[in-house]
Amino acid sequence: QSVLTQPPSASGTPGQKILISCSGSSSNIGRNYVYWYQQFPGTAPKLLIYKNNQRPSGVPDRFSGSKSGTSASLAISGLRSEDEADYYCAAWDDNLSALFGGGTKLTVL
Amino acid sequence: QVHLVQSGAEVKKPGASVEISCKASGYMFTTYPIHWVRQAPGQGLEWMGWVHTGNGITKYSQKFQDRVTLTRDTSATTAYMRLSSLTSEDTAVYYCARDSDFDPWGQGTLVTVSS
Repeated sequence: QSVLTQPPSASGTPGQKILISCSGSSSNIGRNYVYWYQQFPGTAPKLLIYKNNQRPSGVPDRFSGSKSGTSASLAISGLRSEDEADYYCAAWDDNLSALFGGGTKLTVL
Repeated sequence: QVHLVQSGAEVKKPGASVEISCKASGYMFTTYPIHWVRQAPGQGLEWMGWVHTGNGITKYSQKFQDRVTLTRDTSATTAYMRLSSLTSEDTAVYYCARDSDFDPWGQGTLVTVSS
């Protein structure tokens, strides 16, 4: 069982905006940055959001991240079929260990 | 361009050890730590530890503390992950990733533990 809690699944229709949540505690999300990764089947994860809300170059601005207290969210607006993937949140804890959420499988209906 | 290229798939018997390599290119190797993360079939991501590529200092997840060894060879710009006392539960894809952002990732190495 992961220390960071994500919903196992999420779904939306093309064009819709969806939110994926990630819940932690004061020792991880509460005091440290949150990261988000996108993973397609059979491939390595890819960094989507770093330091709570920063997008690496090349990541569309349809993807955004936010953090409040001990929770964080990944928002995907203008949902597209190619966004169908697994999404993972991550955060460091105060003991300098990395934690991942259990992952959310996004289905585009 | 930054690349991490991992060694190929491995099949091991229970009780054996495995060592996976992660060859870095496109940047100054000793500037960023290398992390190791694994993913069991159909499961999520699990952090194993990291190695400071400059001085070799390591930090391990408590879960793997007794069985994992992370090293690096600066002349070869390569990091290594050795996992001992393998069981079937260690069957997974093992990834290396650069820096605390985990960016980028290696392509992954499948380790199958089977008698």
